[in-house]
Amino acid sequence: GAVVSQHPSRVICKSGTSVKIECRSLDFQATTMFWYRQFPKQSLMLMATSNEGSKATYEQGVEKDKFLINHASLTLSTLTVASAHPEDSSFYICSAGDRPYEQYFGPGTRLTVT
Amino acid sequence: SQKIEQNSEALNIQEGKTATLTCNYTNYSPAYLQWYRQDPGRGPVFLLLIRENEKEKRKERLKVTFDTTLKQSLFHITASQPADSATYLCALERGGQNFVFGPGTRLSVLP
Repeated sequence: GAVVSQHPSRVICKSGTSVKIECRSLDFQATTMFWYRQFPKQSLMLMATSNEGSKATYEQGVEKDKFLINHASLTLSTLTVASAHPEDSSFYICSAGDRPYEQYFGPGTRLTVT
Repeated sequence: SQKIEQNSEALNIQEGKTATLTCNYTNYSPAYLQWYRQDPGRGPVFLLLIRENEKEKRKERLKVTFDTTLKQSLFHITASQPADSATYLCALERGGQNFVFGPGTRLSVLP
């Protein structure tokens, strides 16, 4: 299957700093990527759909000024958590697919804000 | 309101038995449904997709059924092994390759 990578796998930052997470499709091109957040013992919650060359589409309740998404190329989408606070601590996962209806997930990024 | 439920938060079964996990949904009309496996601290791994016009799909020891009348999907693992222990998530399509995930069932296969 297709391979999606994320970097970094873990990040610890101080409250008020911004954190950038990268999502790459390694062996295919993805015009669309998805960003999810997962809190402990909970399921994945879709945050936004990242579209190459255009603005991301955010789910209801997700602040677009706080979670900045840039999909600058067909293999890279970035999520920047602006001015992170402890409540933003979570597991962030991206997904992409090279075929309709098949999504491949990255390994996730564990963000801890102190 | 829209809801996705998976039969239980945790399920323990004996090695060699068949594990059956349930996904029920309300107020969705998915064209297809997927099942994923997620290990702790990792992203989900795609297992199977089943479309609304398919009753059953198989892949090795895995079998998925989809009943759009009952609004339910069943996920079976036959001849279960301890290595099958993980959290299993169902996901419903809601248009534009957009999915909504169930809460997951944590399966433990005991040796």
